[in-house]
Amino acid sequence: AQSVTQLGSHVSVSEGALVLLRCNYSSSVPPYLFWYVQYPNQGLQLLLKYTSAATLVKGINDFEAEFKKSETSFHLTKPSAHMSDAAEYFCAVVKAAGNKLTFGGGTRVLVKP
Amino acid sequence: GAGVSQSPRYKVAKRGQDVALRCDPISGHVSLFWYQQALGQGPEFLTYFQNEAQLDKSGLPSDRFFAERPEGSVSTLKIQRTQQEDSAVYLCASSSGTGDYNEQFFGPGTRLTVL
Repeated sequence: AQSVTQLGSHVSVSEGALVLLRCNYSSSVPPYLFWYVQYPNQGLQLLLKYTSAATLVKGINDFEAEFKKSETSFHLTKPSAHMSDAAEYFCAVVKAAGNKLTFGGGTRVLVKP
Repeated sequence: GAGVSQSPRYKVAKRGQDVALRCDPISGHVSLFWYQQALGQGPEFLTYFQNEAQLDKSGLPSDRFFAERPEGSVSTLKIQRTQQEDSAVYLCASSSGTGDYNEQFFGPGTRLTVL
């Protein structure tokens, strides 16, 4: 079985500061990894995905994530937080030859002015 | 273009009532997924359709849950004899392909509250 663990259910950052959201996965085979964002009362929107090409993946809105096999991690970062980044972020994994997403518990980001 | 739409957006049911939740995927999308998101948690997989075929229903929590996609487009998730533990947001997602890294596009969800 595979699972995804997001460390920290809530993160508070100041506007302009670095955003770092942590995600670790457990999988017996190389997975496909995703980060989604969910704004209040909206569906999930894909930020970026890792599909075994480059280990550093760039996504929308200046987010990026680095796949580190040795650490089984796929942490999400953004150099400078905006107020509009306040949302909930989910890390998810798809097993190769499968297609259903398995999500982590989510991290809610609060951006302080 | 139009995204994934779901209706109703909010549903309040009395315990024991049957409910039906509708999903309109993006036109032409082959794959359709249902997820359940309990308050404060990540979404959990319920079931998957490829066109009209239900290929995976391993996530349906009980036989009170039933999903269909008879013509390979619109899908309905039906919950019979609702219980309080069924209260959650039900998310529908569609994808243009059948591969494991095809992006899934999510609808806004239906928030079900069972009293």
